[in-house]
Amino acid sequence: DVQLAESGGGLVQPGGSLKLSCAASGFTFSGSNMNWVRQAPGKGLEWVGRITGTYATEYAVSMKGRVTISRDDSRSMAYLELNSLKTEDTALYYCTTDILPRPWGQGTLVTVSS
Amino acid sequence: QSALTQPASVSGSPGQSITFSCTGTSSDIGAYNYVSWFQQHPGKAPKLLIYDVNNRPSPISNRFSGSKSGNTASLTISGLQAEDEADYYCSSYTTSRTVIFGGGTKLTVL
Repeated sequence: DVQLAESGGGLVQPGGSLKLSCAASGFTFSGSNMNWVRQAPGKGLEWVGRITGTYATEYAVSMKGRVTISRDDSRSMAYLELNSLKTEDTALYYCTTDILPRPWGQGTLVTVSS
Repeated sequence: QSALTQPASVSGSPGQSITFSCTGTSSDIGAYNYVSWFQQHPGKAPKLLIYDVNNRPSPISNRFSGSKSGNTASLTISGLQAEDEADYYCSSYTTSRTVIFGGGTKLTVL
């Protein structure tokens, strides 16, 4: 089964940084596209960015300059590095894949607060 | 880029058919056949229902169907069931090579 598991969330102060991880299993990770999506408490879904199978990256305009997505095909891992965090970045962060049935993990919670 | 437009809420009775709308622009929904629909129950992760406008991943029920006309995509649920009560989100690929979501529609089964 295609499975994704996010980790690395936690409490961070405004201005801080955090690196989230996404462990993929059940499919050929190399060559797949991986996305990050977030959901603030009680709010809707917001696309953060994507890394393609050829390592090209695209980011949401609202996040550009503060986030970096990377991947390690040898470990079937994707990463989301968040910098200059603001309180409004508090959210559940999910990784997703284009590999059907495109399941979502349970997400990892990032809380930005002093 | 603004979010895709979805009605905040819809309601229906068991057994009915109900249609959700998702309105975008010629730079997203109108540009490609890359519209997806997701279902999210409270406290749960979203689940893909429809991809590429009208394709269902296995094992999504054939009660769920998708379509598109111009800059508007639609999701139809036939034979509404109590378990369908959830939030529904649409998304689309854009000409900026990004993805955009709708604000979500809350479905209440009466």
